[in-house]
Amino acid sequence: NAGVTQTPKFQVLKTGQSMTLQCAQDMNHNSMYWYRQDPGMGLRLIYYSASEGTTDKGEVPNGYNVSRLNKREFSLRLESAAPSQTSVYFCASSPLAFARDEQYFGPGTRLTVT
Amino acid sequence: ELKVEQNPLFLSMQEGKNYTIYCNYSTTSDRLYWYRQDPGKSLESLFVLLSNGAVKQEGRLMASLDTKARLSTLHITAAVHDLSATYFCAVDRSGTSYGKLTFGQGTILTVHP
Repeated sequence: NAGVTQTPKFQVLKTGQSMTLQCAQDMNHNSMYWYRQDPGMGLRLIYYSASEGTTDKGEVPNGYNVSRLNKREFSLRLESAAPSQTSVYFCASSPLAFARDEQYFGPGTRLTVT
Repeated sequence: ELKVEQNPLFLSMQEGKNYTIYCNYSTTSDRLYWYRQDPGKSLESLFVLLSNGAVKQEGRLMASLDTKARLSTLHITAAVHDLSATYFCAVDRSGTSYGKLTFGQGTILTVHP
């Protein structure tokens, strides 16, 4: 099992460019999440998907869109990148959000917007 | 709005000493998680605490939850260098917002010889 995988690992964008961060899990989990981590602020939830076919906003959704492509994959899109979106992005998954399961995290994508 | 606060934010310990990290949260919840993060790495689950009075132990780490006080503690016994990392607590909001974790700021632990 690879667990949760993310691509790319590193990315540099110019302001206004767009990109999609990819996330996949092979644990047959129902729920998936996107977080961003900024220094001194812990992790903040951007969007989550409780199950295939559903998505919901988290704490900081502005400037992002998501797609739950299938049960395995959950992508995060930046339509017009801004320097404030410079961060480390983590994808996570859990068996079922409602079941109090712990979340399993991917290795992260380090994004710099210049 | 749920707020989660950890203290201390920075902790420098000598090997062999004991210490406690505190995690306070502002609204009702009966689900609390502790994670560890090594520099430049992802988050690793340490403990899942699901009820008032829950206590979990793994090696030199012990976590507890007091839902009435809205407080969780992570106790480190006889610290060793390998425990150097950042430790996060995360709280799951009750009700219809299951799965939406709110994280504390993290406690950076450094264990010195």
